[in-house]
Amino acid sequence: DAGVIQSPRHEVTEMGQEVTLRCKPISGHDYLFWYRQTMMRGLELLIYFNNNVPIDDSGMPEDRFSAKMPNASFSTLKIQPSEPRDSAVYFCASGTRTGNTEAFFGQGTRLTVV
Amino acid sequence: GEDVEQSLFLSVREGDSSVINCTYTDSSSTYLYWYKQEPGAGLQLLTYIFSNMDMKQDQRLTVLLNKKDKHLSLRIADTQTGDSAIYFCAESIPPDKLIFGTGTRLQVFP
Repeated sequence: DAGVIQSPRHEVTEMGQEVTLRCKPISGHDYLFWYRQTMMRGLELLIYFNNNVPIDDSGMPEDRFSAKMPNASFSTLKIQPSEPRDSAVYFCASGTRTGNTEAFFGQGTRLTVV
Repeated sequence: GEDVEQSLFLSVREGDSSVINCTYTDSSSTYLYWYKQEPGAGLQLLTYIFSNMDMKQDQRLTVLLNKKDKHLSLRIADTQTGDSAIYFCAESIPPDKLIFGTGTRLQVFP
């Protein structure tokens, strides 16, 4: 397996534009996590899914953020409209529960909103 | 509440031991983890410990857990320049929510 695949790797967009980040989890994993990493706040959990169902979205900062998982092999994180303070690295991770939940991370998407 | 705290920086000399500390607040944590992030990359699992254990050793890595004080530490013996990275502590809160700390940037100098 190629691991967790995120696209794009880098995104630069203007304030007010819609941004969509994509994630393909590892095949067979039933958990999918979206995190945001900034210098100030470290790694924040935004939302996570189990078997394509959102379990906890309490970390989603505002209504401008939304996430979907239409099937077991694809998830999106959308920001509309984007703002400069959304600039961060966004990570997707997938995992499966076998005693403990090890999360396998993608390479991340570096988002810059100007 | 769910909060994981770490110091931001640690600097050690090559060959010395490094100790990275972490405190967490949620007493329902089932597993606790240490992840490593190298520049420009995602996080990779280094080791984990079940909440009813107090120590785990894995080659140069030693994890100590004090559940009463909600304190976790990672000791790296014989630290090498290749160990320079950001180290994240994480806790698993039922039913499998993974919460990470702010990360500790370890710098190893010759």
